[in-house]
Order: sequence, then C-alpha cells, then structure tokens
Amino acid sequence: AQTVTQSQPEMSVQEAETVTLSCTYDTSESDYYLFWYKQPPSRQMILVIRQEAYKQQNATENRFSVNFQKAAKSFSLKISDSQLGDAAMYFCAYRSFNTNAGKSTFGDGTTLTVKP
Amino acid sequence: EADIYQTPRYLVIGTGKKITLECSQTMGHDKMYWYQQDPGMELHLIHYSYGVNSTEKGDLSSESTVSRIRTEHFPLTLESARPSHTSQYLCASSASGTGYLEQETQYFGPGTRLLVL
Repeated sequence: AQTVTQSQPEMSVQEAETVTLSCTYDTSESDYYLFWYKQPPSRQMILVIRQEAYKQQNATENRFSVNFQKAAKSFSLKISDSQLGDAAMYFCAYRSFNTNAGKSTFGDGTTLTVKP
Repeated sequence: EADIYQTPRYLVIGTGKKITLECSQTMGHDKMYWYQQDPGMELHLIHYSYGVNSTEKGDLSSESTVSRIRTEHFPLTLESARPSHTSQYLCASSASGTGYLEQETQYFGPGTRLLVL
C-alpha cells in the first residue's frame, strides 16, 4: 500500500516570502498522480496543484510550484510571495494510475501560518 | 454552476439519534467519497463509491453506512449516533475513467461538522 508522509506538521512564513512544504511517498508503481490540496480554516478543501508522474517537468500554477523528484519519491510544494490568504492546512495526496475506484492516499497535512 | 454540496453544514444531536448526512454533486461524477476529519487533523477515508449501486468501505472502520441510488447523491447514515462520532465529515467526488489528471482530481464539499452530545 502507498503511504504519504508530510514531515512538517506546522510551518510559518512571513508575508511576501517563500516557503516550501515537503511531501514524500512510498510506492512500487511507476505511473501515478500527485496532488496538493489546500484547506483554509472552516472552508472548503480545494486543489492547489497536480502532477502526473510520467512528466518530468515540474507543475506550476501562478505562485505555486512543485519540485517533483521521482527517484527520491519527493513532491514538495513551493509557495512564492506568500499571502495572508495562503494560510491553511495543506495536504499532499497520491493517486494510483491503476486503481479502479481511484482512491487517494493523503498525508497528515501541514498547517501553514502566514505572518503579516 | 457545477459543484458539490453537503447538508447540514452543522449538526448537534443527542446520543442514540439516527442521522443522515447529505452529499450531492452536479458534475456527473461517477466516483464519490466520504472522509472523516477531526479539526486540524488528517483525512480518513470511510466510504467510497465508483458508481450507482456500488459502495465500498474505506481505510478507516466506521459504523456509518452509505448508499448510492443516484449518480449525484451519496448520503451517509448513522443509525445511532454516539459522542465518538463527533467529527467533521467531508464528501468528495471525481470523474469516471482513469488515465487523465483532470479525472483523478477530487472535488470536495464544504463538510458537515457533527457534534453528538
């Protein structure tokens, strides 16, 4: 079974600075998907960024980018020019390419605080 | 506008009551999921479905049950609520098929916060 590890339960960043959230996973599969989801306090969980394992190029979405290291099984999220609205709990998730029901495995989450 | 809805958003109920948490999505997604999440904690998958009349138990054992009679509707039922059921329940859905990143993305509802006294 796949596992996802987020080793930083809490992180903080100064507004306008850059922060990196770490995520590692364990799998024997070669094809899979990786996601970062954001859950603001008392608000809906939303997708931040996603990546297919077969793509070597790191995904980017505006201020959000990932550093995908397939051999190291690492999928870190970089948030540039941090904003107060980035404060949330961030979940890294793994999804097998071959799972019929498409279950995702989530990490335990990292709570990000943004200081003004 | 395509979306995923959960009702009620908040529920306070006494021990022993039967409750049903509603989840509906307008995106035509075949796959739907229920997660249990204590505040500020990790997600636990408790039920999932990959289509009408198909339901499976998730990774975390739960006393709740689910049904999937219609594609858009995936209600979760607790026959007899207990204080240990106090938690937040998140519903999610994703498109059918595999092999495409968009289809593998889960869309989450706003959650139901349940308090059992």
